[in-house]
Amino acid sequence: GAGVSQSPSNKVTEKGKDVELRCDPISGHTALYWYRQSLGQGLEFLIYFQGNSAPDKSGLPSDRFSAERTGGSVSTLTIQRTQQEDSAVYLCASSLPSGSGQDTQYFGPGTRLTVL
Amino acid sequence: GNSVTQMEGPVTLSEEAFLTINCTYTATGYPSLFWYVQYPGEGLQLLLKATKADDKGSNKGFEATYRKETTSFHLEKGSVQVSDSAVYFCALTNSGGGADGLTFGKGTHLIIQP
Repeated sequence: GAGVSQSPSNKVTEKGKDVELRCDPISGHTALYWYRQSLGQGLEFLIYFQGNSAPDKSGLPSDRFSAERTGGSVSTLTIQRTQQEDSAVYLCASSLPSGSGQDTQYFGPGTRLTVL
Repeated sequence: GNSVTQMEGPVTLSEEAFLTINCTYTATGYPSLFWYVQYPGEGLQLLLKATKADDKGSNKGFEATYRKETTSFHLEKGSVQVSDSAVYFCALTNSGGGADGLTFGKGTHLIIQP
């Protein structure tokens, strides 16, 4: 079946604008993760969803970042009032339930965000 | 907290050379360990994993053994090919990821010359 898909693949925005990044997980995967990949910080974990449960937001870098997951499937990562330091590749991953023993994370191709 | 340390490179080798990329970790409990690979222009792919001490993960000629006594998970391949050129990430997770996600090393850029 299809892998994890993300859209858009590239996004260029002006400082101060809001952006929305979308992730479609693999069908049947109840766990969904967001990561950020940047030159300075490497790969950072941002947030995790298990089904429809409320996520732990403590990994989000600031209160300008938020994420939601509708119907236990598609997820949206929103960055408000973007700053130049938000420029990075945002990666989404999905897996079978965390702790199930078959919970390898499969990654999408990422969204490259550039804030001018 | 968890952390992963790996050589950043770039590491440049000739085709058919022996490869070792070192990875050491700090974690509580008994983490699962992974190597992910990112080929040029592509997304992150799982290369291999090991979930308990002394387990050996293997795939595409690559191997890594979970060494709890040395907290290491070094990646090895006996004879590299040009097509192995990529960035390799060592990673760990406790309890299958969950609220902590994967903790990654900085990545090692591997360049194989013909």
